Amino acid sequence: DVQLLESGGDLVQPGGSLRLSCAASGFTFSSHVMNWVRQAPGKGLEWVSTLSESGANSYYADSVKGRFTISRDNPKNTLYLQMSSLRAEDTALYYCTRSFCTSRKCYFDYWGQGTLATVSS
Amino acid sequence: EVVLTQSPATLSLSPGERATLSCRASQSVSRDLAWYQQRPGQAPRLLIYEASNRATDIPARFSGSGSGTDFTLTISSLEPEDLAVYYCQQRNSWPITFGRGTRLEIK
Repeated sequence: DVQLLESGGDLVQPGGSLRLSCAASGFTFSSHVMNWVRQAPGKGLEWVSTLSESGANSYYADSVKGRFTISRDNPKNTLYLQMSSLRAEDTALYYCTRSFCTSRKCYFDYWGQGTLATVSS
Repeated sequence: EVVLTQSPATLSLSPGERATLSCRASQSVSRDLAWYQQRPGQAPRLLIYEASNRATDIPARFSGSGSGTDFTLTISSLEPEDLAVYYCQQRNSWPITFGRGTRLEIK
């Protein structure tokens, strides 16, 4: 079975840093585009970042560009999100998602249960 | 950025009724649109991709239609477990965007 297990969420002060991890299992990790999506408490879904299979190509939402870095370690089947210069509005449940790609585009076919990052003084 | 507008914000229906959820894009997204279901306390689940293709293990009562700027998710006969928030998402252009969701309540 496909499993995505996020960790690393914590309470951090504004301006601080945090690194989230996503341990993947049950599929060939290196063959899939991976993503982070977040959800602020009581709010909707917001795409954060996407990383290609090899890690060569990355994409970011404008709201996190320059502050967050997505990366992966394919031999360890792990996806990361390094978050810095954190703001109160970054407080959210962060989901790791796997992409399923058709001949046209990719969609998020598996989601982890999320890890909560809280930015507050 | 493509803005997705979902309507209605909340829908309250009885088991067995038909639900029709709408998603309108601010510009054409071709058929590069997906629908996700998020049940209370759970992670989202992919229901429909490329506007009308059901994802793996999704019941046949869920169907999607549309292209360009107007899309519809239809649940033909509601079950109690369909209580959830439903989000549309476009993959036609960066950044990836989601609609604000439609909350489906089961009477």
